[in-house]
Formats: sequence, structure tokens, C-alpha cells
Amino acid sequence: QSALTQPPSASGSPGQSVTISCTGTSSDVGGYNYVSWFQQHPGKGPKLMIYEVSKRPSGVPDRFSGSKSGNTASLTVSGLQAEDEADYYCSSYGGSDNLVFGGGTKLTVL
Amino acid sequence: EVQLLESGGGLVQPGGSLRLSCATSGFRFSSYAMSWVRQAPGKGLEWVSSISGSSGIIYYADSVKGRFTVFRANSKNTLYLQMNSLSAEDTAVYYCGKGGVSTTPLSDWGQGTLVTVSS
Repeated sequence: QSALTQPPSASGSPGQSVTISCTGTSSDVGGYNYVSWFQQHPGKGPKLMIYEVSKRPSGVPDRFSGSKSGNTASLTVSGLQAEDEADYYCSSYGGSDNLVFGGGTKLTVL
Repeated sequence: EVQLLESGGGLVQPGGSLRLSCATSGFRFSSYAMSWVRQAPGKGLEWVSSISGSSGIIYYADSVKGRFTVFRANSKNTLYLQMNSLSAEDTAVYYCGKGGVSTTPLSDWGQGTLVTVSS
């Protein structure tokens, strides 16, 4: 199972919005609504930010939103804040009783 | 508060074995699928294995199938990963997560335990 494709980096200034893409295939991202997004700060464990494409766990700011179109899922961070600077990973059910992750995107707040 | 605490990592020689543990608290352990995810130094996340609450359903990544065994002790609220025939490619921080591969997202994660395979 191949990893999902994410851009290696993204950036934006405080207050701006940034969107990170996650491209898979019809066998994973396109075939199921089990896409999640995780935030990881250096030296820390990942934190769930979005699940089932667009749902936010309790405690996650509504500045974070998710969507999907075809085989590509997206995470949008609005009103960027300094603490949003982190690595972001998408994941999807792989369709063969497995879970596949994206390669990760390093988000820099300028 | 959900808490997950991995332990058991360390330095092991190629071909060796290691058993990781993940002690949990703050939720009804037996009701949730649990997973292991690893991260090689400077690399991204890689799913390793998932096990259902009753241990009746178990999945493995192709990269560890036949070498790793996941199991759980619901009476002890603890998840385990037995790792055999280790190679340098298994060097990573291993995280346990509350959740599975599809219907239950990985909602909570531990801080990870480092496994280094080297002679």
C-alpha cells in the first residue's frame, strides 16, 4: 500500500489561511470517508485534529477544517497562529484492512 | 483523562526481539480497538498493527507481518507488541494509539518509545 501524497511544506503569515492537500486513490481516500488529520509538534506524539473527513474532536479549534473531493482530501487552517506551526499528517483507511498515512507536511508560520 | 504510556523500547541487535507495552487509563479499554504506529528518525508516520477490543480482529502492515505480534490484556488495560527478527529498518519511535483503521479514529496517542536496532 503506497503512502498518501502530501506537499512537504506549506507556509502562511499569522491570520492567513493555508490549505494542505492529501492525495490518494479510489481505493483509499476516494473510496471511504475515513480520512483523519494529525498535528505533531517536535518530540511529541501526534494529536487528532480532524476525523471522518471533516469532523473535529472536542477541544480542536474551529479554525481547523477538513474536506474531500474525489481522491484528494484537504486540511484548511484559518487565522493562522504561531502555535499552529507543526507537522501535519493525513491518514485514510486503505481498503485492505490497513491504515495508510501521508508523508507529512511541515507547516511554517512566517 | 485518557492516558497512554508506552514502555519497553531500547537498543537491540539485528535479529533480536523486544516486547513493547502500552499501559492505559481513563477509558474503558476493552471497548476500543488499539493500534501501533511507528516513526523512523526524521521520517513520517507508518501504521504497524491494530487489534479490536475483543482481540478477535487483528491487522498487520505487510512490513511486519510474520515478525510482529500484537496482543492485549484487557484485565490489565494494557496493549503489547512482540517484535521478533528485528532489522535496522525497524528502528523508530513506536506509538500506541486508541483507535483502529477505520470506524474508530486514532483519537489519543502516547508519547512513544524508541526502538533502536543496531549492532
